[in-house]
Amino acid sequence: DGGITQSPKYLFRKEGQNVTLSCEQNLNHDAMYWYRQDPGQGLRLIYYSQIVNDFQKGDIAEGYSVSREKKESFPLTVTSAQKNPTAFYLCASASQGLGEQYFGPGTRLTVT
Amino acid sequence: GEDVEQSLFLSVREGDSSVINCTYTDSSSTYLYWYKQEPGAGLQLLTYIFSNMDMKQDQRLTVLLNKKDKHLSLRIADTQTGDSAIYFCAESIDGANNLFFGTGTRLTVIP
Repeated sequence: DGGITQSPKYLFRKEGQNVTLSCEQNLNHDAMYWYRQDPGQGLRLIYYSQIVNDFQKGDIAEGYSVSREKKESFPLTVTSAQKNPTAFYLCASASQGLGEQYFGPGTRLTVT
Repeated sequence: GEDVEQSLFLSVREGDSSVINCTYTDSSSTYLYWYKQEPGAGLQLLTYIFSNMDMKQDQRLTVLLNKKDKHLSLRIADTQTGDSAIYFCAESIDGANNLFFGTGTRLTVIP
């Protein structure tokens, strides 16, 4: 089945540790996105990539890093520099030229 | 910059119509979207409207766009308990893929 997957669904880490969230799509989409969702704040864009080997910072990139070595994959690393990492993280992909984004099921990260 | 606003909560009785409102600031929006998010899940695209349209209907969903007032609404007819979710409006201003999302409206359907 075509779609976009994120793993794991729940992730727990100790403060000070880096953690990488996985996002994979088999929709042949060029563009991929990472959002952070906090209660009452909607979605905020962390990073996005319109093409392999290229990515841009979104509104809240500080404390995060990404890579885009393959079209299908866009992993997000939450570094120890991110002050409030506990959140629900959503990955999305889109085909070039069309506006709609397709979302993965999300990863809930809890850092204690 | 872009700013998309929605009220945070809406409650309706089962069988009534729901109207979820959204205002945006960027007059160059090309597409406007409605997404639905069920608890603990990702967002699902419900419908979208081109900025040169003022209405779009899709089964129980009706989208109305007032470009002059920069106001977008989603009407759900005969609201069911399964419609309980958070609804996000989003705008695309560059005709490409970058979307700006509202804060989301949590719809609660009372049986």
